[in-house]
Amino acid sequence: QKQVVESGGGVVQPGGSLRLSCVASGFSFSDYGMHWVRQTPGKGLEWVAFIKYDGGKKNYVDSVKGRFTISRDDSKNMLSLQMSSLRPEDTAVYHCAKDAGYGTTFYYMDVWGEGTTVIVSS
Amino acid sequence: DIQMTQSPSTLSASVGDRVTITCRASQNINNWLAWYQQKPGKAPKFLIYKASTLQSGVPSRFSGSGSGTEFTLTISSLQPDDFAIYYCQHYNNYLEAAFGPGTKVDIK
Repeated sequence: QKQVVESGGGVVQPGGSLRLSCVASGFSFSDYGMHWVRQTPGKGLEWVAFIKYDGGKKNYVDSVKGRFTISRDDSKNMLSLQMSSLRPEDTAVYHCAKDAGYGTTFYYMDVWGEGTTVIVSS
Repeated sequence: DIQMTQSPSTLSASVGDRVTITCRASQNINNWLAWYQQKPGKAPKFLIYKASTLQSGVPSRFSGSGSGTEFTLTISSLQPDDFAIYYCQHYNNYLEAAFGPGTKVDIK
């Protein structure tokens, strides 16, 4: 079945860096855009970043622009999120999610992972 | 930016009840709205898109309606598997994706 599994979370000090990964299976990864969405008890779900199916377009929420970079490796069915200059407010569960659009972008997500936890704390 | 709100924040109901959750947008979003269900520690599950189109495999007791700024998710007869948190999400072609704060449906 269609599945995405995240990894790479952990505890990091403010100002530090972390790289999250997401491996996809059960669907043609290269035909779909992919998202990162984070979740906290206080703010709920917050969309973070998107990469188009062909990698030709990337978009970020304003609060992470210049600090986070989304990328994909279709040969490995892998999505990544490189996070730098991390702040305490980046603490969250980070979900990888598949866009529902085949060869296009719908901006809603039909397959989600359970997430990986990032804690930014000294 | 478009802001999404949901009401109520918590809803207590019994198995068999008809349940309605409301989602409001701060401006007209036509029918660009999706709904998700999430259980504790689990991934969100995609339920509905374009405000009222049921995703394949989602039970028919779920339905969505609305357009413009006010939307509803209705569960016609609540089942034990339906106790969860429900989120609405606005999306559009301008690369915006805004979630509502969620509505928890728990057991009365």
